[in-house]
Amino acid sequence: QTVVTQEPSFSVSPGGTVTLTCGLSSGSVSTNYYPSWYQQTPGQSPRTLIYSTYTRSSGVPDRFSGSILGNKAALTITGAQADDESDYYCVLSLGSGISVFGGGTKLTVL
Amino acid sequence: QVQLQESGPGLVEPSQTLSLTCTVSGGSISSGSYYWSWVRQPAGKGLEWIGRIYTSGSTNYNPSLKSRVTISVDTSKNQFSLRLSSVTAADTAVYYCAREGPYGGKGPWGQGTLVTVSS
Repeated sequence: QTVVTQEPSFSVSPGGTVTLTCGLSSGSVSTNYYPSWYQQTPGQSPRTLIYSTYTRSSGVPDRFSGSILGNKAALTITGAQADDESDYYCVLSLGSGISVFGGGTKLTVL
Repeated sequence: QVQLQESGPGLVEPSQTLSLTCTVSGGSISSGSYYWSWVRQPAGKGLEWIGRIYTSGSTNYNPSLKSRVTISVDTSKNQFSLRLSSVTAADTAVYYCAREGPYGGKGPWGQGTLVTVSS
């Protein structure tokens, strides 16, 4: 069974830069997995940030960027703001049309 | 602007079938190269992809749920539906519907609906 791995938690100072990663329990993440990233605050639906590795969803500020770093997908937030404090989920698209969510990263801005 | 809205019973008895519908507004469910998907989230836990359907009727399901899941589409009503059979308390969750692009990106999302499995 494929497991998508994310850091359980991360913290960043206001104005700072943080990179969250999305890996595979076995193997490397590449653009072929079309990694996407979502932001979710408590009680709200997820918000699409990045899809197809690099593409920002409409209305998403360019403080958010996606990339491949080494063998993982990455979400970088620059100039962190208080309202960036959320849960962040990545999704990988596997073969046969199946998607798998990572366990999510709880980001604290302090 | 496309919007999605989930609807269905908020309470389902154990061993019964959970049925939800997602109504798409602001655009045709048949336009564009989109899939239509279901995602769920138990309280305090992460998101879990359940499956998706293309308007042709082609489906993909989470292998861990495949034996119990059926997703269908009704293009005349601009809706797609989820059925999950033989539910247990472990199926209690907020269920979201979402549009899924050809490269995996999911959105927009519905607001979510809480389904509780309990007698």
